[in-house]
Amino acid sequence: EVQLLESGGGLVQPGGSLRLSCAASGFTFNNYAMNWVRQAPGKGLEWVSVIGGSGDYTYYADSVKGRFTISRDNSKNALDLQMNSLRAEDTAVYYCAKGAYCRGGSCLFDFWGQGTLVTVSS
Amino acid sequence: DIQMTQSPSSLSASVGDRVTITCRASQGISNYLAWFQQKPGKAPKSLIYAISNLQSGAPPKFSGSGSGTEFTLTISSLQPEDFAIYYCQQYETYPPTFGQGTRLEIK
Repeated sequence: EVQLLESGGGLVQPGGSLRLSCAASGFTFNNYAMNWVRQAPGKGLEWVSVIGGSGDYTYYADSVKGRFTISRDNSKNALDLQMNSLRAEDTAVYYCAKGAYCRGGSCLFDFWGQGTLVTVSS
Repeated sequence: DIQMTQSPSSLSASVGDRVTITCRASQGISNYLAWFQQKPGKAPKSLIYAISNLQSGAPPKFSGSGSGTEFTLTISSLQPEDFAIYYCQQYETYPPTFGQGTRLEIK
């Protein structure tokens, strides 16, 4: 059974940093690209970032480029998102999502974690 | 970026009804179209991929169709557990983008 478990969310001040993690199990982790997708309170879904199965590529949404860094440790089946220079508009639930199929940095998502809430506020 | 537009934004229906949600892409996306269901406070759940293929574990009451830039999700014989928000998503081109969602409510 595929399981994705996010952690690391919380309250942070504008300009601050936070690191999210996603622990994966139930599939061969290094065979699949992994993504972060976020959802602001009461809003729709917004893709944030993707990393290839071997870490061979990374892509970011324009809204986070230069501020967020995605990484993975295949020895630990772990996915991370380092978020710097946080803004109020980054407030959202952040989901990690497994890429079932990807082309050119754009993935079909087949499994999602339960999400972790990031609140950016003073 | 490819814009995905869903209609309607909200829909009221009764248990037992059959409903259809439409998703339009701002340019052709071949068959790289997926549908998700999201219930309050929960993560999205994959329903359909490649326009019409049922994701493993999704009930066959969900069906998808369409081509090019216009796609539909049909839900037959609505049950209380089907009332949720539905999203379409294109994965033909970076960045992947979602529709704004369709809220399906009980009449």
